[in-house]
Amino acid sequence: EAGVVQSPRYKIIEKKQPVAFWCNPISGHNTLYWYRQNLGQGPELLIRYENEEAVDDSQLPKDRFSAERLKGVDSTLKIQPAELGDSAVYLCASSLEAIGGLGQETQYFGPGTRLLVL
Amino acid sequence: RKEVEQDPGPFNVPEGATVAFNCTYSNSASQSFFWYRQDCRKEPKLLMSVYSSGNEDGRFTAQLNRASQYISLLIRDSKLSDSATYLCVVKRSSASKIIFGSGTRLSIRP
Repeated sequence: EAGVVQSPRYKIIEKKQPVAFWCNPISGHNTLYWYRQNLGQGPELLIRYENEEAVDDSQLPKDRFSAERLKGVDSTLKIQPAELGDSAVYLCASSLEAIGGLGQETQYFGPGTRLLVL
Repeated sequence: RKEVEQDPGPFNVPEGATVAFNCTYSNSASQSFFWYRQDCRKEPKLLMSVYSSGNEDGRFTAQLNRASQYISLLIRDSKLSDSATYLCVVKRSSASKIIFGSGTRLSIRP
């Protein structure tokens, strides 16, 4: 079974430029997550989707970050314009969550996109 | 104060040793707990969920102490391949916050 696919794997851009990341979750997984991970830190949740609906985007810097999951499958995360402090690894994860469940389901992570903003 | 805190380490122990580390959480409404493992420059992978009664998987034992609001991970007979960063994850409910700790680095030496 294919895992979570992310592209690109690496991206180097100059500040103020836009950048977009793409994620294809594991087939059948209804929940998709975008995380940002800085060096030496744990992943920080940016946004969580249940199917097409963003159910938690409280940590997403909405002035420059946007995300979409139009058909409830793959997703894109965009930064416009990028700042130096956005350099990080952007991780996508997916899980199959039962409605009303306790959230014990495993999250499967993609390999991440390493972003460097110069 | 962070909602989920871990000792960053590094813990440097000899092969075959037993090592344990804790993760504390501040929100008493937290319901689900996990340990993830992350190798250098790789993505996190689930190591084990943590259940109220405690649970064991081979050399790994996870415990939950709700009264003191911490979870622990014990690794017995450590192997070189156990060298990694161990991330604590806390969820308040299925539809709510998911918070990762900063991770504890473990290095096993021959």
